[in-house]
Amino acid sequence: AQSVTQLDSQVPVFEEAPVELRCNYSSSVSVYLFWYVQYPNQGLQLLLKYLSGSTLVKGINGFEAEFNKSQTSFHLRKPSVHISDTAEYFCAGVLMDSSYKLIFGSGTRLLVRP
Amino acid sequence: DGGITQSPKYLFRKEGQNVTLSCEQNLNHDAMYWYRQDPGQGLRLIYYSQIVNDFQKGDIAEGYSVSREKKESFPLTVTSAQKNPTAFYLCASSVGVSSYNEQFFGPGTRLTVL
Repeated sequence: AQSVTQLDSQVPVFEEAPVELRCNYSSSVSVYLFWYVQYPNQGLQLLLKYLSGSTLVKGINGFEAEFNKSQTSFHLRKPSVHISDTAEYFCAGVLMDSSYKLIFGSGTRLLVRP
Repeated sequence: DGGITQSPKYLFRKEGQNVTLSCEQNLNHDAMYWYRQDPGQGLRLIYYSQIVNDFQKGDIAEGYSVSREKKESFPLTVTSAQKNPTAFYLCASSVGVSSYNEQFFGPGTRLTVL
């Protein structure tokens, strides 16, 4: 199956705690992987992307993600979250048989509580 | 500032009506895309265009139509044939249709059928 899977629909966490948002991809998805963030009623903003090279990718707003080929995962992490990180996070990958088609996961809502 | 604009932000449609959603970009990007977002389902590709006067169907093109007469503009028409059009619609653009090119998103249009 051609898919990108985000197992957690919602992740509640307290402010200043660490967080990990999980993303797994199927073998039909290439290793071009992306994380986007969406604030309420807004478009998507790119957090970070993995194309090649170092498996640890650093993005904006203190987020980072680690590409793990053996586990087909691309989990997003932040060591200390802020209230302002409350948003929807989407993992996306490109299909192996296509040069253009982004496949999105179903999204994870990060809810940061004071 | 360079970016993507979508209008209107909110749109209400009566059943049986066609409506057109606007998408304009001043990033000088060749490729443009339309996505539909439903709660808990991530984003699904409706149509995309690699170049002026050319466009292709995505995964859920039925009931939708597009045009690409200018590089900057990629309007989406939601026709009466679309049975469940209530959703959040996102337009995006990228330098070219390539797996490593970041897609930039507009702020979205929320369409509601009355």
